[in-house]
Amino acid sequence: AQSVTQPDIHITVSEGASLELRCNYSYGATPYLFWYVQSPGQGLQLLLKYFSGDTLVQGIKGFEAEFKRSQSSFNLRKPSVHWSDAAEYFCATISGGYNKLIFGAGTRLAVHP
Amino acid sequence: DGGITQSPKYLFRKEGQNVTLSCEQNLNHDAMYWYRQDPGQGLRLIYYSQIVNDFQKGDIAEGYSVSREKKESFPLTVTSAQKNPTAFYLCASGAPGGLADTQYFGPGTRLTVL
Repeated sequence: AQSVTQPDIHITVSEGASLELRCNYSYGATPYLFWYVQSPGQGLQLLLKYFSGDTLVQGIKGFEAEFKRSQSSFNLRKPSVHWSDAAEYFCATISGGYNKLIFGAGTRLAVHP
Repeated sequence: DGGITQSPKYLFRKEGQNVTLSCEQNLNHDAMYWYRQDPGQGLRLIYYSQIVNDFQKGDIAEGYSVSREKKESFPLTVTSAQKNPTAFYLCASGAPGGLADTQYFGPGTRLTVL
């Protein structure tokens, strides 16, 4: 069965520092991968997605992610974090013919001033 | 302004009551989904609908029911049979993109059982 693992439950970075959030997936063929962000008490906002093609994907808010088949990873990166980036981040993949999203458990990001 | 709306934002239910959560979208998407989110967990699929008048159970459908009479609307009823309904409920709709949809989420409804 397909699954997504986010190894880090909490991450704290200083404002202006670089960020990398890890995501590993288990699937034989090329997966469809997504990163979503959720602010407290809010819905999920799509940051970026990978279906095929260029393995480096650009998203909104200055985020990017790189698909690495050899490592079964789809890590999210940002070169300089802003205080407003503090939120919970979810990696997800598609499962099955009805487009069911399989989510990781999420990584909560705190940003120190 | 296109998007997905959910109402109410907060909902309180007494034991033994059924409650209905509203989800409306004006994105012209065929597919709609209901997810449940519990603290410290990712989202779990309750029900989904790929087309009007058709819907399917997800992973945790017990104690829930849905209808899809209109393309724009996919209400979720939390029945008294749901043993632990306190959670954050998220509705999504899917934009087709080849072999996979991209799902867009509403702002959510927080349900609390008193």
